Amino acid sequence: DVKVTQSSRYLVKRTGEKVFLECVQDMDHENMFWYRQDPGLGLRLIYFSYDVKMKEKGDIPEGYSVSREKKERFSLILESASTNQTSMYLCASRFASSYEQYFGPGTRLTVT
Amino acid sequence: GEDVEQSLFLSVREGDSSVINCTYTDSSSTYLYWYKQEPGAGLQLLTYIFSNMDMKQDQRLTVLLNKKDKHLSLRIADTQTGDSAIYFCAESMDSSYKLIFGSGTRLLVRP
Repeated sequence: DVKVTQSSRYLVKRTGEKVFLECVQDMDHENMFWYRQDPGLGLRLIYFSYDVKMKEKGDIPEGYSVSREKKERFSLILESASTNQTSMYLCASRFASSYEQYFGPGTRLTVT
Repeated sequence: GEDVEQSLFLSVREGDSSVINCTYTDSSSTYLYWYKQEPGAGLQLLTYIFSNMDMKQDQRLTVLLNKKDKHLSLRIADTQTGDSAIYFCAESMDSSYKLIFGSGTRLLVRP
């Protein structure tokens, strides 16, 4: 079974804090993704990594950065958290040759 | 630009059929997907259809694609309470990474 895990299910941070969201997959997938999910907006792609140390901006990268030092791990970084980054964050991964993305359970981040 | 639209809410009785609809704007979409999100969980791929197909059936699920109208539907036969979830329609232009998601349809199945 493919497993995509995220470091926290719930997180509460203060405005201005640096926030790290971690995602780990155990299937040797090349591609990894970070999305945010907001009611009425569906999922929007923040960043994408097609392999180790490779990254590409998605549709809403502002205020975020990412790190992919190892194939199994993809980190999303909020350099200075703001209240408008309160959201559900979903990580996904897949083989480069496949259409199917496997999702983690999500991290609900609240910035106060 | 790319856009995928769904109605936000659907309520059905247990045992009835559910039909969730989706429209998309990008005529070059080649893959169309249905994902399911149960409460507190990530998304799970339910089924997909290639743009050269009109219909795909998989057990209780039937996907219909009308390319002319850019309309995709998911029919769930004999809907069960365990089918209560949010259903997302998504499209991509090829097997590339970029999925464009709709806003999701919350399906509520009443006993």
